[in-house]
Amino acid sequence: GQQVMQIPQYQHVQEGEDFTTYCNSSTTLSNIQWYKQRPGGHPVFLIQLVKSGEVKKQKRLTFQFGEAKKNSSLHITATQTTDVGTYFCAGTNDYKLSFGAGTTVTVRA
Amino acid sequence: KAGVTQTPRYLIKTRGQQVTLSCSPISGHRSVSWYQQTPGQGLQFLFEYFSETQRNKGNFPGRFSGRQFSNSRSEMNVSTLELGDSALYLCASSFEGTLGAEAFFGQGTRLTVV
Repeated sequence: GQQVMQIPQYQHVQEGEDFTTYCNSSTTLSNIQWYKQRPGGHPVFLIQLVKSGEVKKQKRLTFQFGEAKKNSSLHITATQTTDVGTYFCAGTNDYKLSFGAGTTVTVRA
Repeated sequence: KAGVTQTPRYLIKTRGQQVTLSCSPISGHRSVSWYQQTPGQGLQFLFEYFSETQRNKGNFPGRFSGRQFSNSRSEMNVSTLELGDSALYLCASSFEGTLGAEAFFGQGTRLTVV
């Protein structure tokens, strides 16, 4: 079945630095979504990518969808303490939404 | 508009018992999906209901079941509870379902099985 792998599992970042989390699927995806879950909270939708090679930006966050629609990445620049949380990618294929295990981000001030 | 509402927020049950969790989606949303979240396994898809029909199902045993009512509210039932069923159960609603539409999550029900 479809599997969505996400790395790294944990990311410890110095405030002000950049980091990237990666998402890979074993099958071609119809689209990919990204969610953020703050500690003690629930996942909140960030963005959806649909087109091959698509790149979208939200302030300091840059999302990419691979050409083959099997991988995606989230790059955060100038990390802030408000970026703390777990970032999930979720891929849609055959009407099923499969979540990656998430990247849990902690920030050192 | 009101968000996704899950009740109860916390629940403690004994092994062997059964439990029913409730999810009220955002008004107008016809799709409700259920997920199990544990520290080691991440977000695991349980099933999706759309217009009262189960449209998708994850790889969980038959002890996990659900249903959706005509007002789109959904319930999830777990029978013969096991210790390993302790988790945060999240439901998410969307207008179109798992067809690329944004999913809105509820706060979750934290189930502890003792």
